[in-house]
Amino acid sequence: DAGITQSPRHKVTETGTPVTLRCHQTENHRYMYWYRQDPGHGLRLIHYSYGVKDTDKGEVSDGYSVSRSKTEDFLLTLESATSSQTSVYFCAISLAAQETQYFGPGTRLLVL
Amino acid sequence: ILNVEQSPQSLHVQEGDSTNFTCSFPSSNFYALHWYRWETAKSPEALFVMTLNGDEKKKGRISATLNTKEGYSYLYIKGSQPEDSATYLCASNSGNTPLVFGKGTRLSVIA
Repeated sequence: DAGITQSPRHKVTETGTPVTLRCHQTENHRYMYWYRQDPGHGLRLIHYSYGVKDTDKGEVSDGYSVSRSKTEDFLLTLESATSSQTSVYFCAISLAAQETQYFGPGTRLLVL
Repeated sequence: ILNVEQSPQSLHVQEGDSTNFTCSFPSSNFYALHWYRWETAKSPEALFVMTLNGDEKKKGRISATLNTKEGYSYLYIKGSQPEDSATYLCASNSGNTPLVFGKGTRLSVIA
């Protein structure tokens, strides 16, 4: 199994507070991704990274920012959390854009 | 953004039945088609990656085919078992772009 961890695994926060989720990999994969999972929508891409300091927006990037200062870590920040950002967030990694993605265990976020 | 469609949205079958579902994707600039299996409360896990028209892949009782000219892939499960119950996701991309996932087909196998 790919070595991917996400932290925290669960978080409850209040509307308007900043939240940062961390994805850490030990596989030296170039690409890293953040998805959110919502009923009726499947997996939707928020942001992705194709290298250190190289990131791009996905389908649902509004209200989210990311940073990748080293290969192993990809951070997702909700600058000011809203209730619509309550979701399960998955991180994934891959060697290249067209290659198999390996998913982390997910982070369940509740914004009250 | 690529549009990847899956049908049906959900499926209930009896144990022992064989079943199949469909993934449709744009055929222009096609690069790869992926199938993932996603069990409840777990993370998606890769089943197959296919890139060539006519590709067929098999893993145990599960197999998949690919038609890149008409833009579809089929996933087949032979002799469904309760442990096959999961959501099956397909994803596709063009060129060097990230995968776009369909919404999945939720399979329930009733013992």
